[in-house]
Amino acid sequence: GDSVTQMEGPVTLSEEAFLTINCTYTATGYPSLFWYVQYPGEGLQLLLKATKADDKGSNKGFEATYRKETTSFHLEKGSVQVSDSAVYFCALTKNYGGSQGNLIFGKGTKLSVKP
Amino acid sequence: ETGVTQTPRHLVMGMTNKKSLKCEQHLGHNAMYWYKQSAKKPLELMFVYNFKEQTENNSVPSRFSPECPNSSHLFLHLHTLQPEDSALYLCASSQDLGSSRGYTFGSGTRLTVV
Repeated sequence: GDSVTQMEGPVTLSEEAFLTINCTYTATGYPSLFWYVQYPGEGLQLLLKATKADDKGSNKGFEATYRKETTSFHLEKGSVQVSDSAVYFCALTKNYGGSQGNLIFGKGTKLSVKP
Repeated sequence: ETGVTQTPRHLVMGMTNKKSLKCEQHLGHNAMYWYKQSAKKPLELMFVYNFKEQTENNSVPSRFSPECPNSSHLFLHLHTLQPEDSALYLCASSQDLGSSRGYTFGSGTRLTVV
């Protein structure tokens, strides 16, 4: 079945460091890909998305590129801030061919940024 | 304001109690979802509703009973829960099933079963 695999956390970085969180997926066809962020005590917020191969999603300095050849959607940010400390979830969805179109999540990666 | 409002934010209940979680969205979305988030476990999809009709029950025990009276409201009725049901329950909505626009989540209800 369809699935999403994220790098294990936690990830601890110093402020202004470069961030990469790896995400790979297994899915037939052409899923849409997402990154969600969950701040402490909150629900999930959509961070960015990409709906087709080679699309780049970006928001708040975060970027991810839909790579169909490597089935990846790695999250990157050039300079993290303390306020970026949160749990990041990679996810996919598709809605065709009778699929329910459910959002399938990775296990999440906790990021802690130290001042 | 996320567009999806969940109440209550926190709930403590005994194993013999009956309580309900409420979710409300005024985004004009047609699909609504319940997810369970437990410590150290992936997000678990529980129920899916599309145009008020339940389209998926992901093998959820019958002590969880969903209700969707209209496209804007979703409830999760709880009775005779177990301590292992303690978790963050998240409601989400989307324009349509599997929308490429993504889902909008509420802030969740933190449930503790004692």
